[in-house]
Amino acid sequence: GQQLNQSPQSMFIQEGEDVSMNCTSSSIFNTWLWYKQDPGEGPVLLIALYKAGELTSNGRLTAQFGITRKDSFLNISASIPSDVGIYFCAGQSGETSGSRLTFGEGTQLTVNP
Amino acid sequence: SAVISQKPSRDICQRGTSLTIQCQVDSQVTMMFWYRQQPGQSLTLIATANQGSEATYESGFVIDKFPISRPNLTFSTLTVSNMSPEDSSIYLCSVDQGWYGYTFGSGTRLTVV
Repeated sequence: GQQLNQSPQSMFIQEGEDVSMNCTSSSIFNTWLWYKQDPGEGPVLLIALYKAGELTSNGRLTAQFGITRKDSFLNISASIPSDVGIYFCAGQSGETSGSRLTFGEGTQLTVNP
Repeated sequence: SAVISQKPSRDICQRGTSLTIQCQVDSQVTMMFWYRQQPGQSLTLIATANQGSEATYESGFVIDKFPISRPNLTFSTLTVSNMSPEDSSIYLCSVDQGWYGYTFGSGTRLTVV
């Protein structure tokens, strides 16, 4: 089946630093999604990308849909303590609503004040 | 985006018993999805639940172990049957919000002892 390789697995940074994480796949995806999961909660959507080459920002977050449609990255600028959590990329291969999502393994982010 | 209520939020169960998890959405949706997240792991799709038809299970998941009901367009249940400690996970329901990506419930944290 489809697999997403997400890296790094974990990051320990100081408050104020920028963060970058990425996902790669051997398969093409039509949609890339980035989620954040806090302890005891379900994942919450941060950014959705729908077109190859698309660069989208949401506050301090920026994500890009790779031109090959096989990769995506997420950047967080000027990190703050509440950025702590697990970040997941997810790819959707179908074009119709309800197509299954494939999730990366997650990046555990720790921000030291 | 849709609001998903999932119950119970957590439970500790004896091995050999069954637990039914409920998922209520505040709007009508065609498809609902059930995921499992094992400790420290990513999300794995268990099955897709359509109203009025049998759920579609992913490889490695079977109806006898994870029976699903979908009686209407806003509600679904997932039962974890004949539980063993290996079933200890977070179980999440999700709906496809189209442009807004997939929305997740807050999850049910299951511990089997």
